[in-house]
Amino acid sequence: RKEVEQDPGPFNVPEGATVAFNCTYSNSASQSFFWYRQDCRKEPKLLMSVYSSGNEDGRFTAQLNRASQYISLLIRDSKLSDSATYLCVGTSGSARQLTFGSGTQLTVLP
Amino acid sequence: DTEVTQTPKHLVMGMTNKKSLKCEQHMGHRAMYWYKQKAKKPPELMFVYSYEKLSINESVPSRFSPECPNSSLLNLHLHALQPEDSALYLCASSREDRPYNEQFFGPGTRLTVL
Repeated sequence: RKEVEQDPGPFNVPEGATVAFNCTYSNSASQSFFWYRQDCRKEPKLLMSVYSSGNEDGRFTAQLNRASQYISLLIRDSKLSDSATYLCVGTSGSARQLTFGSGTQLTVLP
Repeated sequence: DTEVTQTPKHLVMGMTNKKSLKCEQHMGHRAMYWYKQKAKKPPELMFVYSYEKLSINESVPSRFSPECPNSSLLNLHLHALQPEDSALYLCASSREDRPYNEQFFGPGTRLTVL
């Protein structure tokens, strides 16, 4: 079983829609979580760190549920420029490096 | 300024060539990373440097040789690569090698091995 699992999509949504991505992790010792976005043939860019209390940045809201071991990302009022692959990332158990989910592809349609 | 730079942007090399990838950051970060990313896959960690010392080597073949000349620079020396090594090579840095420190990625070097 992968340590971090995501629905690969693709998610095709109209402009202005609200879309939610979920991600589950298997290692209960995982400490920190992040959402990155990656455009085609570009590097991953940090979108948000995910805190236990949940955090919001404009149209983006991230939440962490440690009891159920899942992380979510909500995008409100989708823009065409939100089209990208969204990577859910956690720290693996005893190691310090990032563990990436396989990514969820989002296409926002005009 | 959250910028990590990498050179070259693209590299084509033969299996007998020796080449180097370079990465630089001026954010005062003390942890730097090399990742390899194949198409439609997430990045895979190769090496971690913490305070200029190699702290993690994810069982990477010896044809990849990392080097950290100082706290701002990270190199990846390539020798006798195979066509399956063709990929996007990403460098990243973080304040320290701690689980809560965010990593910032450079634009990558797209490597093709012929």
